[in-house]
Amino acid sequence: DAGVTQSPTHLIKTRGQQVTLRCSPKSGHDTVSWYQQALGQGPQFIFQYYEEEERQRGNFPDRFSGHQFPNYSSELNVNALLLGDSALYLCASSQTPGRIDTQYFGPGTRLTVL
Amino acid sequence: RKEVEQDPGPFNVPEGATVAFNCTYSNSASQSFFWYRQDCRKEPKLLMSVYSSGNEDGRFTAQLNRASQYISLLIRDSKLSDSATYLCVVITGGSYIPTFGRGTSLIVHP
Repeated sequence: DAGVTQSPTHLIKTRGQQVTLRCSPKSGHDTVSWYQQALGQGPQFIFQYYEEEERQRGNFPDRFSGHQFPNYSSELNVNALLLGDSALYLCASSQTPGRIDTQYFGPGTRLTVL
Repeated sequence: RKEVEQDPGPFNVPEGATVAFNCTYSNSASQSFFWYRQDCRKEPKLLMSVYSSGNEDGRFTAQLNRASQYISLLIRDSKLSDSATYLCVVITGGSYIPTFGRGTSLIVHP
C-alpha cells in the first residue's frame, strides 16, 4: 500500500518564477492538505482540498494556489517566487477533512529559491 | 504572542532518563491536541492524540491542562531511537486548521 507520494523531491528556482508541486494521497484518502515548513520551524498550513475544492486556507497570499483532481491527487502552485518561499513543502492526506488523527505526510519537496 | 509555543531545546538526556516537554497555546477555544514526531530531514508522523483525561502509549504519556493552556509529553526510559523533534499541534474551534509549534529537539545519548 503506497503512502503519500510527492514530486519532485528537490527543486531550484529563481525569484519571480512559478513552480508546481505534485502530491498523490495514500490509498483510501480523499482529503489533501499542503504545508510549508521553513528551516527550524514547524509546518504551516497552506490549504486543504476535499471534493476538488479548497475547503480551508491558512494565512498565505494568493500567490499560493492549488488544485485537486478527480483521483484525489493534488497540485500546489506558487507564482512570483520570493526568496522567503524557500522551504520544505509537505503534502498530507487524510480520510476526511476533520480527521487529523488519520493524516499521513509525504516526504516533501524541498524548494530553493535563488 | 504565538498561537502555539514550544521550547526548541535541544534537550540532551542519557539513555534511560525521563524527559518532559511542554507546549503552550494561546486560544482558549482550542479543542484538539496532538503530538507529532519528526526525524531529521523526514516528514512528521503522528505520535499520539492528547485527550482531556490524559493518555498513555507505552513509554509516552500525554496530558492536557486547559486551565493553564498547555499540553505535555512525558517520555520514560528514553531510547537512542527517541532522538527526534517533537511537534505539538493544536486545532481551534471548528476550523480544522492545525497549528504546529516549532518543535522541541530531543537528543538521547549513550
